[in-house]
Parts: sequence; structure tokens; C-alpha cells
Amino acid sequence: EAQVTQNPRYLITVTGKKLTVTCSQNMNHEYMSWYRQDPGLGLRQIYYSMNVEVTDKGDVPEGYKVSRKEKRNFPLILESPSPNQTSLYFCASSPGEGTIGGYTFGSGTRLTVV
Amino acid sequence: GESVGLHLPTLSVQEGDNSIINCAYSNSASDYFIWYKQESGKGPQFIIDIRSNMDKRQGQRVTVLLNKTVKHLSLQIAATQPGDSAVYFCAENMAGGYNKLIFGAGTRLAVHP
Repeated sequence: EAQVTQNPRYLITVTGKKLTVTCSQNMNHEYMSWYRQDPGLGLRQIYYSMNVEVTDKGDVPEGYKVSRKEKRNFPLILESPSPNQTSLYFCASSPGEGTIGGYTFGSGTRLTVV
Repeated sequence: GESVGLHLPTLSVQEGDNSIINCAYSNSASDYFIWYKQESGKGPQFIIDIRSNMDKRQGQRVTVLLNKTVKHLSLQIAATQPGDSAVYFCAENMAGGYNKLIFGAGTRLAVHP
């Protein structure tokens, strides 16, 4: 089944403790992206990647890092999480520029930073 | 910055009625628009899209209308069913590709029997 898989689904952590949210897609998609979703704000892009080793900042990149060493994986790294990063996070992938349908989203990771 | 917005945060309809969800966008240079449906506990799911060179596109029970003059997008759902209850987002594509979608805050559709 074609899908975007995120792990974990739920995570509670303490301020300052480094964490990684993994994302993997099995559709050989070029583009991958991370979004956070907060009440009343919709989905905001954190980082995106157009191909292996090619990443760029989205609208809200502060406090996050990403890497794209392999086409299928696009982990989101929080080096020193803070409570304002408590949110619902979505990874997404798309075939690339010029294709239709936009992004395919994962099921989300609900992160709570205390 | 420019962003996509929605007129109605919550829409309640009776089962079998038609639903119309509206969206205003602010970037006249946007050339591609998508409607997503998000059910509780799940990620957004693609419903239908439309390019800026079109003003209407139909899918199965859904129609998207684009009015570039007033920068307005709408999603029409025919014969709304309980399974249509969800939050609906419109999104606009800011660049020539599909790496950057700007989402609105969402409209919750509640379908009552």
C-alpha cells in the first residue's frame, strides 16, 4: 500500500531533550515536507526537500532540523524541544514539480513538550 | 504574509443536503489549488484540485469552483453524507511546483441525520 509512515504517533517529552520523528514513504516521491498543525492556524510548513541532500526552510523552521540522506526518509529533529513546539506534526510527500494531487500525508505525530 | 483563509469555521448540514465550503485566497499569483479533507486522528486527504486556468472542476459528488476575479474558492459536496463530516482545508500553491502549499485554518463540516 502506498503510504507515508510517521513514528511515533504520540510522544511526550521534557524541555531540552533531543528527539527525532521519523518519516518514510514508499512511493519513490521526490518531494517531502514537514508541517505542523495548530488550532486556528491550519498547517504551516516547517521544512521541505526536493530531492536527496536538497532541503530548504519553510515558514516556521526555527527550532527544527531535517535531513534527506535517502529518498524515502525525511526525519524531523528537535535538538532542544520547547513547550511552544507542542503540536501535531505531519510528514508529506509528492511526486515532484509538475504533478497533480499535491501531497500525500502521513497520519501525524502528536508531540507534547513539558 | 499572504495566506489562505476560510469564511466559516463550522458548517452544519442535514444529511442529504448539499454543502458549500468557501475559501478566500490572497495571492493572485497562485496557480494551483487543492481541497483536503481531514478526519479525526488522520492526516489530510486529497479531495480535488483545480488549476488557475479553469473555473470549475467536478469529481465524484464534489465540485470545486474558482473565481479569480474575487480570489475565491469553493467546495461543493452533493448529497452530504455522515462520512463527509470532517475538517476541510483549502490550499494554494505559491510556486510553480508543489513543494509549498499554503493552507487555510480549516472549516469543520458537521452532518446531522
